[in-house]
Amino acid sequence: KQEVTQIPAALSVPEGENLVLNCSFTDSAIYNLQWFRQDPGKGLTSLLLIQSSQREQTSGRLNASLDKSSGRSTLYIAASQPGDSATYLCAALYNAGNNRKLIWGLGTSLAVNP
Amino acid sequence: EAQVTQNPRYLITVTGKKLTVTCSQNMNHEYMSWYRQDPGLGLRQIYYSMNVEVTDKGDVPEGYKVSRKEKRNFPLILESPSPNQTSLYFCASSPRYSGANVLTFGAGSRLTVL
Repeated sequence: KQEVTQIPAALSVPEGENLVLNCSFTDSAIYNLQWFRQDPGKGLTSLLLIQSSQREQTSGRLNASLDKSSGRSTLYIAASQPGDSATYLCAALYNAGNNRKLIWGLGTSLAVNP
Repeated sequence: EAQVTQNPRYLITVTGKKLTVTCSQNMNHEYMSWYRQDPGLGLRQIYYSMNVEVTDKGDVPEGYKVSRKEKRNFPLILESPSPNQTSLYFCASSPRYSGANVLTFGAGSRLTVL
């Protein structure tokens, strides 16, 4: 069964810390791995998408890595800010017949304290 | 502004009273999808559409209907809502679901069925 797990479920850090969010997936035959941010009342925003042939992607203070062989992805947030407080979701995309299917983790709820 | 618009954003209704949640995108995207998000279960796909007049079931389609008569609109219909359909619903779209395209999400519709 294809599953995505995110650890930790919640994280509280002081402003300025560098932090790592973890995502693991059971089936390594992914098409890509995506990281999203969810803010209450604002839906989901795509942060980074890593194709299965890539090892990492970077956007500003965010860096996402992918290790297919170990079934892991990490989201690294540098110099965290209170505005980074949100829930971070990872999703693994798989082929499913004529469709492609996203398998979602439950998310890591991040609080960055001033 | 490129966006996915859902309405209503919040709705409280009673068991059995038919309702429709509308979803509209202004990006000329071919692919659209509905998800529901529940605590401890994460995001689960309800229905998706590859293009106009092409729809298919996701993981949890029971109790829902959809239609795709126009490219921009993908309404979610609950013919006879039940309390177990109380959830946060998201509509999403992408240009073509090749896997390389990220999904753009609406802000969500929180539905309560009494």
